[in-house]
Amino acid sequence: EDKVVQSPLSLVVHEGDTVTLNCSYEVTNFRSLLWYKQEKKAPTFLFMLTSSGIEKKSGRLSSILDKKELFSILNITATQTGDSAIYLCASPSSGSNYKLTFGKGTLLTVNP
Amino acid sequence: DGGITQSPKYLFRKEGQNVTLSCEQNLNHDAMYWYRQDPGQGLRLIYYSQIVNDFQKGDIAEGYSVSREKKESFPLTVTSAQKNPTAFYLCASTLGAGSTDTQYFGPGTRLTVL
Repeated sequence: EDKVVQSPLSLVVHEGDTVTLNCSYEVTNFRSLLWYKQEKKAPTFLFMLTSSGIEKKSGRLSSILDKKELFSILNITATQTGDSAIYLCASPSSGSNYKLTFGKGTLLTVNP
Repeated sequence: DGGITQSPKYLFRKEGQNVTLSCEQNLNHDAMYWYRQDPGQGLRLIYYSQIVNDFQKGDIAEGYSVSREKKESFPLTVTSAQKNPTAFYLCASTLGAGSTDTQYFGPGTRLTVL
């Protein structure tokens, strides 16, 4: 059975801090790993990672994949209160092009 | 604007009643999905459909039913057999075969059983 495990499950920081969110996976026939940000409603897509060691960056957010150690990290620098959200990590399940296995998410709270 | 719409945003149901959640997309995506989200549980897949008139059970299909009569629409019925239906329900879609596996989500429906 495929598994995606995120840590920590929750995190509280102050504005300006840098945070690192972790996602480890055990997925047969691994193809990709995705990060989503969920504020109050629909998760919004952040990154898709397929290759080891290549950093993806969008503003203050960046992410990298390690296919040897089977994990990914999501970094947020100079955090702002608007970064407060649940961050979800997911990977397409083995045997299916469509079914995603999600982690439980990391609830990030950024205090002013 | 292309996107996924879900309705209603909030839904209240009495125990023993069936209720149907709507999901419509105008992205011309082939595949559609229903997820359930509970606090601390992440997203769990209920049903998915890769093409019209075809759908498969996900990890927690018991007590739910779906139909896919049109490409744009994938309604979810929460039946009285679902023991604990209070949750946040998310619909998603992907382009289809050869897609990037990126799922696009609707805004969700929060169902509360009274």
